[in-house]
Amino acid sequence: AQTVTQSQPEMSVQEAETVTLSCTYDTSESDYYLFWYKQPPSRQMILVIRQEAYKQQNATENRFSVNFQKAAKSFSLKISDSQLGDAAMYFCAYSPGLKYIFGTGTRLKVLA
Amino acid sequence: ETGVTQSPTHLIKTRGQQVTLRCSSQSGHNTVSWYQQALGQGPQFIFQYYREEENGRGNFPPRFSGLQFPNYSSELNVNALELDDSALYLCASSLDGLQRADTQYFGPGTRLTVL
Repeated sequence: AQTVTQSQPEMSVQEAETVTLSCTYDTSESDYYLFWYKQPPSRQMILVIRQEAYKQQNATENRFSVNFQKAAKSFSLKISDSQLGDAAMYFCAYSPGLKYIFGTGTRLKVLA
Repeated sequence: ETGVTQSPTHLIKTRGQQVTLRCSSQSGHNTVSWYQQALGQGPQFIFQYYREEENGRGNFPPRFSGLQFPNYSSELNVNALELDDSALYLCASSLDGLQRADTQYFGPGTRLTVL
C-alpha cells in the first residue's frame, strides 16, 4: 500500500530561525511526484513546493527547500528565516499520477 | 491565486439527507478531483473527473457521486448522509489529469456537518 507518514504532529520555531518538517512514504513505484502543501486557518491548501522523483536535485522555492532521499523514501521540508505567516498545517503528499495521498499533517507554530 | 472556488462555505444536514457541493475550477483546467478531510486528518481522495468522465476513484461507496460540466464547474453529491460524512470537502483542479506531472490546485473547501 502507498502511504505517507508525518511523525511530527506539532513543531515550534522562533521567528527568523530554521525548522525542518519530516515526511516518509512507502511505494514500489519508481516514477512519482512529491509535494508539500500549507493549510492555514482559512483552510485553503496552498502548494509550497514540488519534487519530481526522477530529479536528484532538491527543489527550492525562496525560503523553502526539500531534502529528497529517494532510497530512504524521505522527503523533508526546510523553512529558513521563519515568518509569522508560515504558521499553518503542513501536509506532505505523494502522487504516482491521478490521486494524491496525504500524510496526517504537522502543525507549525511560529513564536515571535 | 488559484482561482478555484467552492460553495457553500458551510452546510448542516441531518442523517439520511442528500447534499450537493459545488466547485468552480480554474479556467483552462479540464480535471477536477474531490477529497474528504476529516478533522485532524489529511485529505482522502474520493474521485477525479477528466473531461466530464470519471477518471479514477478512491475507497468511497457509490453514494458518493460526481458530475463535471463543460464550463469548468463540478459537483459532489452524497446520498443517505451518515454522521461520519462530517468533514471538510476539498475540490482541486488541474490542467490535465492524464499527465503524471499534473499539479492540483485546491479550493477553500466546504465544511459539512451531519447531525
